[in-house]
Amino acid sequence: DSGVTQTPKHLITATGQRVTLRCSPRSGDLSVYWYQQSLDQGLQFLIQYYNGEERAKGNILERFSAQQFPDLHSELNLSSLELGDSALYFCASSVGDSPTYEQYFGPGTRLTVT
Amino acid sequence: EDQVTQSPEALRLQEGESSSLNCSYTVSGLRGLFWYRQDPGKGPEFLFTLYSAGEEKEKERLKATLTKKESFLHITAPKPEDSATYLCAVQSYQLIWGAGTKLIIKP
Repeated sequence: DSGVTQTPKHLITATGQRVTLRCSPRSGDLSVYWYQQSLDQGLQFLIQYYNGEERAKGNILERFSAQQFPDLHSELNLSSLELGDSALYFCASSVGDSPTYEQYFGPGTRLTVT
Repeated sequence: EDQVTQSPEALRLQEGESSSLNCSYTVSGLRGLFWYRQDPGKGPEFLFTLYSAGEEKEKERLKATLTKKESFLHITAPKPEDSATYLCAVQSYQLIWGAGTKLIIKP
């Protein structure tokens, strides 16, 4: 158990809908990272927050947004969902603001868009 | 352009048959190289961080080494429970993930 929690574990929704994925980092970690992993692709970095502020952006679509709250939990919002958004979404946390620190991953949220 | 390539894509071994996985990289200014293990449907699990050429780290049957252009993950006398996808990630000004090597250990 990494200490990172993600909810929900599974999510099934229809195209065009909006969903929110939630992540709670390990105790003491200030950074949260979001990743997307599709069957035919590796881990794709989406976005990083550190202590409430956006720190780095990867291949995140404009339909996707995230935030980190004062209690350090983070939410990833996915809107206008398309079939291609079906994937595993992972959250990871680390103690520092740089990716030089090892990341601890949550169990993921499996999103299915029908 | 910064790049990370893992090989082979998949590797099947018999239990006890030692081998190595490769992670080659082209980045400007290596700040760290990471190895993770990922079981199907689960989040990656941190294994090692290497920071400079010549550095080595070990954990049970796994040993990671680093040169200026590549890293190897050596697995000695593997067991079926070592079956997983092994991911490499390289940190320069950004963190770049490799596509992984799927390792299957047959009993």
